[in-house]
Amino acid sequence: AQSVTQPDIHITVSEGASLELRCNYSYGATPYLFWYVQSPGQGLQLLLKYFSGDTLVQGIKGFEAEFKRSQSSFNLRKPSVHWSDAAEYFCAVASTSGTYKYIFGTGTRLKVLA
Amino acid sequence: DVKVTQSSRYLVKRTGEKVFLECVQDMDHENMFWYRQDPGLGLRLIYFSYDVKMKEKGDIPEGYSVSREKKERFSLILESASTNQTSMYLCASSATGIYGYTFGSGTRLTVV
Repeated sequence: AQSVTQPDIHITVSEGASLELRCNYSYGATPYLFWYVQSPGQGLQLLLKYFSGDTLVQGIKGFEAEFKRSQSSFNLRKPSVHWSDAAEYFCAVASTSGTYKYIFGTGTRLKVLA
Repeated sequence: DVKVTQSSRYLVKRTGEKVFLECVQDMDHENMFWYRQDPGLGLRLIYFSYDVKMKEKGDIPEGYSVSREKKERFSLILESASTNQTSMYLCASSATGIYGYTFGSGTRLTVV
């Protein structure tokens, strides 16, 4: 069965510091992988996605993620965090079976210190 | 700007009431989804629909039903609301193929 693990429930970084949010997945074939961000009281917004090809993908708001098949990971990174990046981040994997259901991780809440 | 609109941001209902949560998308998407979001549990799929009048159960369908009479509208129904259905409900839609979901802003439902 597919699954997604985000091992960090909370992360706190200082503004201007670099950020890495971890995501590990379990899937039998090449997965479709996504990162979403949720600001307080809002729905989720797509940051970036990986389908195939280049394993380093660029997203919106200066985020990037790297797919590492050997580690079953899809970690999200940002070189310099801004106070407005404080939010909850969700990693997701999509089924390739045709119904396009997504499995979401439990989320990582990011706090940014001024 | 493409949108998924959920009719209510906040709802308070009484135990035993029949509750309707409405979701409308303007992107002509085939697929629509209802998730509930709870702290520490992430997003869990309740039901989804890949065509008008078609629906499939997700991971936690008990206590819920859905209706999709038109392509743009997907309704979640709580037949008899209970306090354990207090949650944030998120609607999403997607085109066929892997393009990513577009989410609505969510409905925070409190059952008292």
